[in-house]
Amino acid sequence: KAGVTQTPRYLIKTRGQQVTLSCSPISGHRSVSWYQQTPGQGLQFLFEYFSETQRNKGNFPGRFSGRQFSNSRSEMNVSTLELGDSALYLCASSFGQYNEQFFGPGTRLTVL
Amino acid sequence: QQPVQSPQAVILREGEDAVINCSSSKALYSVHWYRQKHGEAPVFLMILLKGGEQKGHDKISASFNEKKQQSSLYLTASQLSYSGTYFCGTLLVQGAQKLVFGQGTRLTINP
Repeated sequence: KAGVTQTPRYLIKTRGQQVTLSCSPISGHRSVSWYQQTPGQGLQFLFEYFSETQRNKGNFPGRFSGRQFSNSRSEMNVSTLELGDSALYLCASSFGQYNEQFFGPGTRLTVL
Repeated sequence: QQPVQSPQAVILREGEDAVINCSSSKALYSVHWYRQKHGEAPVFLMILLKGGEQKGHDKISASFNEKKQQSSLYLTASQLSYSGTYFCGTLLVQGAQKLVFGQGTRLTINP
């Protein structure tokens, strides 16, 4: 099976702009989670979607939002970008009750 | 509540053993372990469930002490390929989908 794919891999934006990141899960995986990874804060949970519904949300401001489509593909949007939003954004899909996460390669976002 | 990992970093020679610990202040349902190599995505290693069940890697072992809410990852006869940052992730209840990760333990294996 193909792994989790994320696009784009790298992105450079300026403060105040908005950005949309895309994630395609492993075929058959219906749960998609998003994480922000920074050197200082580590891996921080953003939100999780299952069957087009957001089931869990982390402690991030409302500027961070997401959605999931009927084919399980997911998008994450960040509006009004701030310098502190520079990070590696990882998407992970999972299947089954144990919730082992299969991560994509990530999108490296740089906000200038 | 974020689990606490120790040590934060460890340097070993190939063939030596390492133990990485993950502690939580809350009762846990499961503990996950992942390894992330530099510039790559985290890779799933193992899950330990309340009640003692384990699922995962055949060359790396781990334990889960439910009374202490602590998990330990044992890397024996380490190989160069074991280098990377190890993260533990915790779930508080069965079916919960919000995995909370520790800060990570950087493991360096030298020849």
